Formats: sequence, C-alpha cells, structure tokens
Amino acid sequence: GAVVSQHPSWVICKSGTSVKIECRSLDFQATTMFWYRQFPKQSLMLMATSNEGSKATYEQGVEKDKFLINHASLTLSTLTVTSAHPEDSSFYICSLTSGRGGNTQYFGPGTRLTVL
Amino acid sequence: AQSVSQHNHHVILSEAASLELGCNYSYGGTVNLFWYVQYPGQHLQLLLKYFSGDPLVKGIKGFEAEFIKSKFSFNLRKPSVQWSDTAEYFCAVIRSGNTGKLIFGQGTTLQVKP
Repeated sequence: GAVVSQHPSWVICKSGTSVKIECRSLDFQATTMFWYRQFPKQSLMLMATSNEGSKATYEQGVEKDKFLINHASLTLSTLTVTSAHPEDSSFYICSLTSGRGGNTQYFGPGTRLTVL
Repeated sequence: AQSVSQHNHHVILSEAASLELGCNYSYGGTVNLFWYVQYPGQHLQLLLKYFSGDPLVKGIKGFEAEFIKSKFSFNLRKPSVQWSDTAEYFCAVIRSGNTGKLIFGQGTTLQVKP
C-alpha cells in the first residue's frame, strides 16, 4: 500500500488563528487526495477531494472558505483551517488512492487540532 | 437517507471467541466495500476489500468478510480473536461512479479481554 504522512501530528492554537496541515504521499505521485474529519468516538466524514492542479471539491455543508485546500504537487496537499474556533477542534485525516489498488484508499496518521 | 450502518457500537469478547461485526449499506447499484481497522493510537489500515468476484473475501490477520448483495450486507468475521485485535473497526462503501468518496459506518469498538 501507499505510505502517507501528515504534519503536524497535533497542534494547539488560539481562536481566530489559522492552521495549516500537510499531507504527503511518500512513495508515489497522487493526483487525488482526500480530507476527512473525525470527531471523538465518531466516524470519519469526508470533507473534500483534493485534485492536483485544480480546485478542490467540497462535500455539502463544508465551508470552502473556512477549510482551504491546496494540492500544488503530486505528493503534497495542504488543508488550512482559517480563523479557527473551538468547534473546529477535531482529528483531521488525509488519504489517497494509489491507483494500483483501484478505489482502495490509504490513510495518513491524522492531525489532532485543538483550538482554545 | 442513504448510509452505511454498523449494528454493534461496542463489542466485548474473550480471547479465542468468534467475532462477527455487522455492516449494511443502503445504496443501490454497484458498490466497492471495505473494512478498515484503527488500532489505539494508530492510523486507519485496510483489513480487506470487495470489488467483484468471489463474495467471500479474505483479508489480513485472519479476517474475512462476506458480501451478500440481496441483504446489502458486508459482515466482518474472525473465527478466533486475540487480545491484539482490540481496535476500532470501520465499514466503508464507495458507490460506483463516485471514485474515492468513501462513506464510513459509525464504527465498532472491539475490546478483547485476555
């Protein structure tokens, strides 16, 4: 399977600040990456699909101006939580498809965001 | 609403007991089905997947799942669990044509007592 990393693994920030989370594909080029959000004791919810070189596709109910996604290269996608508020505190996880496994997604280790 | 449903939220078993975790989906048409596992403090890992062919799928660590199309189900099984199987288990579905859009079930927490 593919190897996916995320940075940082956890971050604490003040309300009103912006936080950038990186997702990297370490062993192959990914044209498409996905961003999920996981609340404690709950399932993963797809936030958006990140497409290399084009605009991300957001799921219904996800504010695109709040969660900025940039997929500038085939190995890096970034999620920026702008003007973060305590309700944005969550576990953010990225994933990608390897292409070799069809629709199989490989997940990063996640980033724990806490907004004070 | 169309969804993925896992029947058991929290399962507690003793070692060597048999496991079956239920998963049902409500989408019509062709689907790709997955079971992922999340061990404590670790990221999601793929246990097994079904795209087509033999509806009985074997995955890693002795897990298997059976796709029953008529029941819209994809239940996960293991004949004999180990303490190391303690984890969160997620069923997920991709509908045909929705490449990459994984829809997850609520998850089942499995606790195996030694």
